[in-house]
Formats: sequence, structure tokens, C-alpha cells
Amino acid sequence: QKEVEQDPGPLSVPEGAIVSLNCTYSNSAFQYFMWYRQYSRKGPELLMYTYSSGNKEDGRFTAQVDKSSKYISLFIRDSQPSDSATYLCAMRSAGGTSYGKLTFGQGTILTVHP
Amino acid sequence: KAGVTQTPRYLIKTRGQQVTLSCSPISGHRSVSWYQQTPGQGLQFLFEYFSETQRNKGNFPGRFSGRQFSNSRSEMNVSTLELGDSALYLCASSMTSGFSYNEQFFGPGTRLTVL
Repeated sequence: QKEVEQDPGPLSVPEGAIVSLNCTYSNSAFQYFMWYRQYSRKGPELLMYTYSSGNKEDGRFTAQVDKSSKYISLFIRDSQPSDSATYLCAMRSAGGTSYGKLTFGQGTILTVHP
Repeated sequence: KAGVTQTPRYLIKTRGQQVTLSCSPISGHRSVSWYQQTPGQGLQFLFEYFSETQRNKGNFPGRFSGRQFSNSRSEMNVSTLELGDSALYLCASSMTSGFSYNEQFFGPGTRLTVL
């Protein structure tokens, strides 16, 4: 079983919809939680970063972390066609074995159609 | 500020050959991590270098190796290529390395195809 599970989709929504993306994880040592966006033929770019449990909002994006349930979410409000991409959750523990290492979910392919 | 650059962008090799990929981090960044991305396994951590020293290593065979130079540029090498090594190889740089979080900035990747 993978340490981080993410539904690969694909997910197709109409423009203006609210999108919910989720990941579950098994490693209780994870302390840092990230969402990356990856466009075709590009490298991932960081969207949101959260430390430990809680919510974080940035414009149309909201990230939630529930460590008790080992569950993280990303919400996209008023989705736009330009949001069409692969969304990857990533996690990292603290400690020596974590140097430079992010553990990623499979990625969810999102398409927002006009 | 220039981003992370990777060369070459595309590479075709045959089984049994070896390959070297290059990564130039963002200026001032001293940590470089490498990842392999495939449709089946997603993004998997290969290794991390900081100040020319390998600080961490993922679960990949010894055919995968890397190094970092004094200017923080990094190379990774794959020897005796197998068909399953076909993937997008991504490098990511961050300012430093350590226990706490350091944002990683990814390059565009090198697409390796093994025939």
C-alpha cells in the first residue's frame, strides 16, 4: 500500500464549479503538506503549503489538513479553464530521513470546460 | 531570477546504455533533489544532494547515482538502462536542507525513453 493515496480521476467540471481534491496518508510522521499543480510538459509548481493541521486560504484556493484522520484536501472555487492540470499532493516528515524528500500522491487530472 | 534548468529535455537511449542528466538549480540554492515520474508509480524520490554530499536516498537500485558540484549543479547517472527506466526525471532545488520545510522548485524535467 502506498504511503499517500490520491484518486487519479480524471475529474471534469464546468467553469465556475467548486472542485474538491483529496489525499489520504498512512505515515503519522508527516508534518508538512503541500499541493502542487503540474501542466502538461512542465514541472510541478507549488500552490499551497500547510504545516500540521488546519486550514489555509489563498485566493480561490483553500487547503485543509486533518491529521487525526490523515486526510488533506484542496478546494478550488470558481474554477477556470486555466485550472486544467494535474494536481499533486505531497508530504514530508521532519527528521534526518526526510532531507529533501517529498512523498507524492498519484496526482488527479482536472479538466475545467467552458 | 532564472528557474531550475535541466538538460537535455528529451533523450532516447537503448537498453544497456548509460545516461547522464544535468540540473542547474536556482542561483543561491544549495540543495538539489531528484525524482522519477512515471504513469504507474507517480513521482518517486531518488536522492538529495546538499553541499556536494548525498544527504538522502530513495529506494532505487544502485544503477541510479548522482553527484553535486561546488557550484551546486547536479548530475544524475543511470547505468545499464532498462525499459522500465523510461520516465520523466525531475530535479528540484531549494535554498537549504534540513529537518524543517524548504520549498522545492522544480525544473521542466528530462523525458528519457529507453528502447
